[in-house]
Amino acid sequence: SYVLTQSPSVSVAPGQTARITCGGNNIVTKSVHWYQQKPGQAPVLVIYYDNDRPSAIPDRFSGSNSGNTATLTISRVEAGDEADYYCQVWDDSSDHPGVFGGGTKLTVL
Amino acid sequence: EVQLLESGGGLVQPGGSLRLSCAASGFTFSTYPMSWVRQAPGKGLEWVSSISSIGGVTYYAESVKGRFIISRDNSKNTLYLQINSLGVEDTAVYYCAKVPTWPSYHFDYWGQGTLVTVSS
Repeated sequence: SYVLTQSPSVSVAPGQTARITCGGNNIVTKSVHWYQQKPGQAPVLVIYYDNDRPSAIPDRFSGSNSGNTATLTISRVEAGDEADYYCQVWDDSSDHPGVFGGGTKLTVL
Repeated sequence: EVQLLESGGGLVQPGGSLRLSCAASGFTFSTYPMSWVRQAPGKGLEWVSSISSIGGVTYYAESVKGRFIISRDNSKNTLYLQINSLGVEDTAVYYCAKVPTWPSYHFDYWGQGTLVTVSS
């Protein structure tokens, strides 16, 4: 089955740009979705179909997808962005199509 | 306002069964696919199962196929997950989630989750 690989952690200072990557074999051929999860809370969709944003998500959040890597970019990072971030794809060529990455913990220094 | 309210979790012995429910409101339930996603304590998200809008198509993770059954009752705006032959590895918070568009299923609204603990 399809595998998504994320780095366990990323650290960034407030006001800087955080980039969280999601690796997968030829991931550019798939649509990638991203979720933010804060401790004790349910996940929140922040990016869908590679680079679309739900209306409630600030435009500091953006996504891209190329080759074997999809990237979630958070500009002008704020303390409130500290959370776990997960990428996800739907691999419709598989009998078990739903796939999440292992998650990345974003720490705001 | 979209609301998803899970129930049915609890403590169960290994080999036991539970039926989880997810009551939906604030949207036309019968129009959208739905899914279950779980999260073991201290671990990441794991997709469990999805069902099409009218229930004719279902999908399962390899780890649960043959043990879990997803279903829905569109007349009651309710999603279900029957979980059987439970093992300690099934201990997790189980979230139901709405799928807004397809073909690439993703999850725009989530419930707060229901905890399933498998222990003797």
